[in-house]
Amino acid sequence: QLQLQESGSGLVKPSQTLSLTCAVSGGSISSDGHSWNWIRQPPGKGLEWIGYFYHSGSTYYNPSLKSRVTISVGRSNNQFSLNLSSVTAADTAVYYCAREATGRGYFDYWGQGTLITVSS
Amino acid sequence: DIQMTQSPSSLSASVGDRVTITCRASQNIDNYLNWYQQKPGTAPKLLIYIASSLQSGVPSRFSGSGSGTDFTLTISSLQPEDSATYFCQQSYSAPRTFGQGTKVEIK
Repeated sequence: QLQLQESGSGLVKPSQTLSLTCAVSGGSISSDGHSWNWIRQPPGKGLEWIGYFYHSGSTYYNPSLKSRVTISVGRSNNQFSLNLSSVTAADTAVYYCAREATGRGYFDYWGQGTLITVSS
Repeated sequence: DIQMTQSPSSLSASVGDRVTITCRASQNIDNYLNWYQQKPGTAPKLLIYIASSLQSGVPSRFSGSGSGTDFTLTISSLQPEDSATYFCQQSYSAPRTFGQGTKVEIK
């Protein structure tokens, strides 16, 4: 059974960089046919797709965040990471990592989510 | 970006009722439409993919239909455990976008 688990600092100061890692178990981020995504949800609001990472190294970011986002392979085996720079209070949200079936575009496995608060 | 609009924003229905949620895309997305269920404090769960395919393990009372710009999610007989927020999501093009959600409550 595939499992995803987010980790990272829960509190980030304004103007700093938010950094999260998603650890994948029960499957490999190097497998063909899937991309690895970050999605966020501000408290009480809807879902916003941030971007994806594919094991070949290709990435795609939401244009609304593109200038501040980097998604890449993580430091440890079978992990991928999210860096979001110059954060403001508007970046306060629950951040989810999720697997997408490439070419079909649906998110079939999600992490439990981690709340990131931007505050001084 | 493709805009996704759901209606209604919320509804209240009784156990056993048939419930329908609609999702409209701002342009043609063929059948690249997915539905998720989210309960408070948990991650979204995939219910329906490619407009009408039922995800493994999802009860058969859930169904999806539509193509082009107009889509529906139907719960044929509402159960207490179906109290949740439902989101549609288009996978026709990037960036992926979601509807604003429909909150379903049990009377």
